Amino acid sequence: ILNVEQSPQSLHVQEGDSTNFTCSFPSSNFYALHWYRWETAKSPEALFVMTLNGDEKKKGRISATLNTKEGYSYLYIKGSQPEDSATYLCAFPLYNFNKFYFGSGTKLNVKP
Amino acid sequence: DGGITQSPKYLFRKEGQNVTLSCEQNLNHDAMYWYRQDPGQGLRLIYYSQIVNDFQKGDIAEGYSVSREKKESFPLTVTSAQKNPTAFYLCASSIDPSWAQPQHFGDGTRLSIL
Repeated sequence: ILNVEQSPQSLHVQEGDSTNFTCSFPSSNFYALHWYRWETAKSPEALFVMTLNGDEKKKGRISATLNTKEGYSYLYIKGSQPEDSATYLCAFPLYNFNKFYFGSGTKLNVKP
Repeated sequence: DGGITQSPKYLFRKEGQNVTLSCEQNLNHDAMYWYRQDPGQGLRLIYYSQIVNDFQKGDIAEGYSVSREKKESFPLTVTSAQKNPTAFYLCASSIDPSWAQPQHFGDGTRLSIL
């Protein structure tokens, strides 16, 4: 069983603040790192699939970076809005068995 | 609209009873997955299927069974052997069983013990 860790566990910010959180994963046998957003009462939604060291992906105000050598990925939200309130999950696939290991998530609450 | 449908939304199980959670997708995806979520924990893989008539155990398969007789359907049965079934269950699919493909999720089923 792989260890995928996310920090912080929860985060409270004011509307307009920029914020970031971390996903740590095993640096050996890297194939991809997935980010998902999970809003309350909805289903998780894919944000990014990152595959290359140094990769940076962007979707609107949300961006993510990847460091496969040290085993971490950062998710950044610029100018947080209340609609960004959600739990953000990262997932690390194990290539040989197509198994995905999820972190426990970072719960973001953006106050208006 | 294409998507994944899980039913029921809430399910209650009596002692010794088997219950089946439904998962149907119309995305024409080859791969399907079942996850369990417990409070404070990440999603944990129960079973996955790469293609019709094939499925593999995840890390917590004990007390669960699945079938994949049709591409669009991947039902999960929680058997009486699963001693702690109370959890939130999520079904997912991806276009193919690749680590590079994002997963699409259903809305989940919450299972409780009566």
